[in-house]
Amino acid sequence: SQQGEEDPQALSIQEGENATMNCSYKTSINNLQWYRQNSGRGLVHLILIRSNEREKHSGRLRVTLDTSKKSSSLLITASRAADTASYFCATDVRGSGGYQKVTFGTGTKLQVIP
Amino acid sequence: NAGVMQNPRHLVRRRGQEARLRCSPMKGHSHVYWYRQLPEEGLKFMVYLQKENIIDESGMPKERFSAEFPKEGPSILRIQQVVRGDSAAYFCASSPPTLNNEQFFGPGTRLTVL
Repeated sequence: SQQGEEDPQALSIQEGENATMNCSYKTSINNLQWYRQNSGRGLVHLILIRSNEREKHSGRLRVTLDTSKKSSSLLITASRAADTASYFCATDVRGSGGYQKVTFGTGTKLQVIP
Repeated sequence: NAGVMQNPRHLVRRRGQEARLRCSPMKGHSHVYWYRQLPEEGLKFMVYLQKENIIDESGMPKERFSAEFPKEGPSILRIQQVVRGDSAAYFCASSPPTLNNEQFFGPGTRLTVL
């Protein structure tokens, strides 16, 4: 199964509301990252949080990390229609040869209704 | 500084043909990663390469798939004797040789096998 699994799989909210997505993972990690993907496009890196950090902000984004529960959340405040996209968490684990292997979750599809 | 470039953006092949997907990493990036994304799914890791070396190919099918990152030129993902199940979006990402491991993604190549 996936290292990271997002919850919910799909989320539909009104513009202006907050959107919260969760990610759970199985093994110990070094970093956790959140990416966004617009339909039919590539991934855009949003934010990276290290294993020794608990919370990080970037604009309207707030990410939390709880390593004891092996979970992370992404909060988008005051959502806009342009936030409509799929959001993926990605965990870094140490792969063979010592490099950081990134594993993606299954994604949350967010729809923001104008 | 141009981002990660992939070409072609769309590729249509008939069963049994070969598909060649190209990825030019960002300037200064020596690490390249290939991922496959099936419709409505997350990204699945395929292979990680550094210049002239395959570091981790644990996600790549043993048959028909190969990847290279030569000293000069782009990274190539090659799929021989394509089958309908190979239809997917193939994303390339690159990263600099640092511990941060933030990966920058290309726009992807959408392969359709008829």
